[in-house]
Amino acid sequence: AQSVTQPDIHITVSEGASLELRCNYSYGATPYLFWYVQSPGQGLQLLLKYFSGDTLVQGIKGFEAEFKRSQSSFNLRKPSVHWSDAAEYFCAVGGDYKLSFGAGTTVTVRA
Amino acid sequence: DARVTQTPRHKVTEMGQEVTMRCQPILGHNTVFWYRQTMMQGLELLAYFRNRAPLDDSGMPKDRFSAEMPDATLATLKIQPSEPRDSAVYFCASGGPGGEQFFGPGTRLTVL
Repeated sequence: AQSVTQPDIHITVSEGASLELRCNYSYGATPYLFWYVQSPGQGLQLLLKYFSGDTLVQGIKGFEAEFKRSQSSFNLRKPSVHWSDAAEYFCAVGGDYKLSFGAGTTVTVRA
Repeated sequence: DARVTQTPRHKVTEMGQEVTMRCQPILGHNTVFWYRQTMMQGLELLAYFRNRAPLDDSGMPKDRFSAEMPDATLATLKIQPSEPRDSAVYFCASGGPGGEQFFGPGTRLTVL
């Protein structure tokens, strides 16, 4: 069975500070891993994905994520957050198109 | 700029009424998903289709929900009869060639 755990329900970060969101997954084979962002009242937007190859993946909006097989983790990072990064972030794992999503982490950015 | 479209964006209805939500997937994508999002349950997969055939609808309450793809450009999700507990945001997503999913803006359903 596939599953995703996002341990942090809510994170508050100052504008300009770095951000790291944690994601741990369970999957029986080599996983396909994704990070999505959802702004209030919007759908989910794909930030980045990992299928194979380089374990450090670059995405849109200045985000990156690192796949660590030994830790079953796929943490999302951004070196310097902007107020517009306030949103909910979802990690997802899957294969053959069917994805399992984590419960999400809400990010608040303070001035 | 290819994107998934959903109509209506908002729907308020009374309990017992039929609700139909529509989705136009990205042209060329052959996999379509329906999700429901609530505060309590988060994102739940209701059903998904590949090449218009239903592959998995185990997440859907069978007695009142139905999902179809009449053609490659239209997916529908119907609730009949609707109940207040169906109030949620319903998302459609279409599957890209790399396994990623592209989400529509959602239909916010309120059942009174």
